[in-house]
Amino acid sequence: RKEVEQDPGPFNVPEGATVAFNCTYSNSASQSFFWYRQDCRKEPKLLMSVYSSGNEDGRFTAQLNRASQYISLLIRDSKLSDSATYLCGKVGSNYQLIWGAGTKLIIKP
Amino acid sequence: DTGVSQNPRHKITKRGQNVTFRCDPISEHNRLYWYRQTLGQGPEFLTYFQNEAQLEKSRLLSDRFSAERPKGSFSTLEIQRTEQGDSAMYLCASSLTPGQTAEAFFGQGTRLTVV
Repeated sequence: RKEVEQDPGPFNVPEGATVAFNCTYSNSASQSFFWYRQDCRKEPKLLMSVYSSGNEDGRFTAQLNRASQYISLLIRDSKLSDSATYLCGKVGSNYQLIWGAGTKLIIKP
Repeated sequence: DTGVSQNPRHKITKRGQNVTFRCDPISEHNRLYWYRQTLGQGPEFLTYFQNEAQLEKSRLLSDRFSAERPKGSFSTLEIQRTEQGDSAMYLCASSLTPGQTAEAFFGQGTRLTVV
């Protein structure tokens, strides 16, 4: 089993809708989690860090559920420009950063 | 530009040739990571450095791969005797030592095509 797992999607969502997706992880000792956004053929860029129970930044909310070992990303009032792949990452047992395969999101007009 | 810089951006090479990529991290970052990414996959960890020390290498990193960070600043990743399966995007990222502010910043990557 991979240490970080994500539903690859794609999630096809109408503009203006709310969308949420999860990322499950193993190794409960992990303390630091991240959501990154990656546009096609570009490098990943930090969207949000998740250190405790959650974090909110405008239309984006990330939550951490340690009991069930997952983090979630909620996007409200989705925009066409939100179309991207969303990568979930965590700090591994040896302090290396480990990533899921990414969830592809397509916002349709 | 004070971000992570990688070069070359693109490399096409013939099978069996050696290639070397360079990464210049953000100057105050002591952690430097190398990842490989293929289409539809997330970045796969290859190796990382804390300053000049290489702390971990993935099992993905065969003997044909070597990475260095001689002065704790820039890093190089060399692939010897390239194979078609080595074709991928090679991403470098840097960060401060993981803690509450362990966000990694990625370079734009080097896209390798082995023909």
